[in-house]
Amino acid sequence: GDSVTQMEGPVTLSEEAFLTINCTYTATGYPSLFWYVQYPGEGLQLLLKATKADDKGSNKGFEATYRKETTSFHLEKGSVQVSDSAVYFCALSDSGGGADGLTFGKGTHLIIQP
Amino acid sequence: DSGVTQTPKHLITATGQRVTLRCSPRSGDLSVYWYQQSLDQGLQFLIQYYNGEERAKGNILERFSAQQFPDLHSELNLSSLELGDSALYFCASSVGTGGHEQYFGPGTRLTVT
Repeated sequence: GDSVTQMEGPVTLSEEAFLTINCTYTATGYPSLFWYVQYPGEGLQLLLKATKADDKGSNKGFEATYRKETTSFHLEKGSVQVSDSAVYFCALSDSGGGADGLTFGKGTHLIIQP
Repeated sequence: DSGVTQTPKHLITATGQRVTLRCSPRSGDLSVYWYQQSLDQGLQFLIQYYNGEERAKGNILERFSAQQFPDLHSELNLSSLELGDSALYFCASSVGTGGHEQYFGPGTRLTVT
């Protein structure tokens, strides 16, 4: 079945550092890929998405590129802020037949220190 | 604010009991999804409804059931509750099917004692 693997952390960085959170996936079809962010005590917020190979999703300074050849969707940000501290989830939707419940990775806890 | 609402925010109940969680999707969204988030299992897809019809099942236990009503709100029913059912339950909605982005509600925290 489908699966998503991501580094679990916690990942601790200093403010203004470069961020990479790795995500790789296994899927039978041609999935759509997503990054969601969860702040403490809140629900999940969609951060960015990509629906086909070589698409780049971007939002709020975060970027991720859909790499079919390496089955990866790594999240990057050039300069992180304390407010970026949260848990980040990589997810896929393998929507053959219109059934598209998301498959999530285990989440990466990101801590940004001032 | 995603536009997806869930009630109640917190629920505490005893083992063996039955509870109902409610979700209202974003205006115009036809698909509703239910997810369970727990420390040991992570985030798991339970079930999807599209325009009133069940579309897909994930890791949903037989003790759990759901439905989507004509006004598109959805309810998740959990029965014969066990301690291990304690978790955060999220509802999400999307405009349709086929890889559209899903918008999540704030969740219902269920504690079974």
